[in-house]
Amino acid sequence: EVQLVESGGGLVQPGGSLRLSCAASGFTFSSYEMNWVRQAPGKGLEWVSYISSSGSTIYYADSVKGRFTISRDNAKNSLYLQMNSLRAEDTAVYYCARVHGGTELDYWGQGTLVTVSS
Amino acid sequence: SYELTQPPSVSVSPGQTASITCSGDKLGDKYACWYQQKPGQSPVLVIYQDSKRPSGIPERFSGSNSGNTATLTISGTQAMDEADYYCQAWDSGYVFGTGTKVTVL
Repeated sequence: EVQLVESGGGLVQPGGSLRLSCAASGFTFSSYEMNWVRQAPGKGLEWVSYISSSGSTIYYADSVKGRFTISRDNAKNSLYLQMNSLRAEDTAVYYCARVHGGTELDYWGQGTLVTVSS
Repeated sequence: SYELTQPPSVSVSPGQTASITCSGDKLGDKYACWYQQKPGQSPVLVIYQDSKRPSGIPERFSGSNSGNTATLTISGTQAMDEADYYCQAWDSGYVFGTGTKVTVL
């Protein structure tokens, strides 16, 4: 069974940093592209970042470019999101999601809540 | 930047057909997919590559995509289909629609 389990969320002050993790199991992690997607409270889905299966190709949404860094450790079946210079508008549930073949996301984790507030 | 627009809400009676539209410039030239999200839960992929259903998704869910509009159709809508639905396409990143709340009255 495919499982994606996020962790690392919490309360952080504006300007602070946080590192999210996503532990993958039930599939060959190293063969799949991965993403982070977020959802602010009561709002819609917003794509954050993409990483290829090898980690060699990375994309970011303009809203986080220069502040967030996506990475992965295929030996540990884990995906990461390093978030720096956090702002109130970064407050959201952050999901990791697997890419299915083309341009869709077929499995999502349960999400981890990041709250940026003083 | 690329944008996908959906109606904020759609209401449907049980057993009837619900249609949710997703509009974007030349969307028909891209693949569209759809996600269902129930309150407090993670999104679930219900349609991909315009009209394909993942395993486990009921046949009452179908999709189409042409011109500037993709459409998700729920035939014989059930109470359990009440949820938020998001379309998504790729354009230099994953672009999500604005979301549609489907209410089964």
